Amino acid sequence: GQSLEQPSEVTAVEGAIVQINCTYQTSGFYGLSWYQQHDGGAPTFLSYNALDGLEETGRFSSFLSRSDSYGYLLLQELQMKDSASYFCAVPTTGGFKTIFGAGTRLFVKA
Amino acid sequence: DAGVTQSPTHLIKTRGQQVTLRCSPKSGHDTVSWYQQALGQGPQFIFQYYEEEERQRGNFPDRFSGHQFPNYSSELNVNALLLGDSALYLCASSPSVGGTEAFFGQGTRLTVV
Repeated sequence: GQSLEQPSEVTAVEGAIVQINCTYQTSGFYGLSWYQQHDGGAPTFLSYNALDGLEETGRFSSFLSRSDSYGYLLLQELQMKDSASYFCAVPTTGGFKTIFGAGTRLFVKA
Repeated sequence: DAGVTQSPTHLIKTRGQQVTLRCSPKSGHDTVSWYQQALGQGPQFIFQYYEEEERQRGNFPDRFSGHQFPNYSSELNVNALLLGDSALYLCASSPSVGGTEAFFGQGTRLTVV
């Protein structure tokens, strides 16, 4: 089957660093994406990793290990506005169908 | 650029009715995917349209159907509505070439009573 596992909730304080893990099981792998979704909002794209290693975009970084079927999203210098749900996602079946994890709800405390 | 636009934003329907949701993709995008998102869950893939054809389908019954028009806009139709169809329906667009990023609309919140 195809599935993604990520923690349901993470809590951290403002200014801290938090890591959200994602393990996946898919038939055919094209890459791992991360999306952010605020309550009542649309998911917005954060990053995409097709190859092993770390991709950095400002305060956010994403890591992929294809051999371990594992990736993570790293958020640094946390701000209150980072409180949101974060989803890992993988395209499958020729890249036309994208499967999302159930999401990790991040709470940032002052 | 208006991004991805969906209409309506909210909708209340009765069990057994039919509903049509609409999506206009981001300028330059020719591929449209539809997702269902239940509260507290991740988006579930319904289907994807490209060149006016359904290219891939998720695990949804035939009550869910769609259409893509020559201008790349798309419709999602759901027949014989069930209470369990209540959810946020999201449309995402991407370019067919080099499209690793999907742009989502704000969604249509469907409530079936």
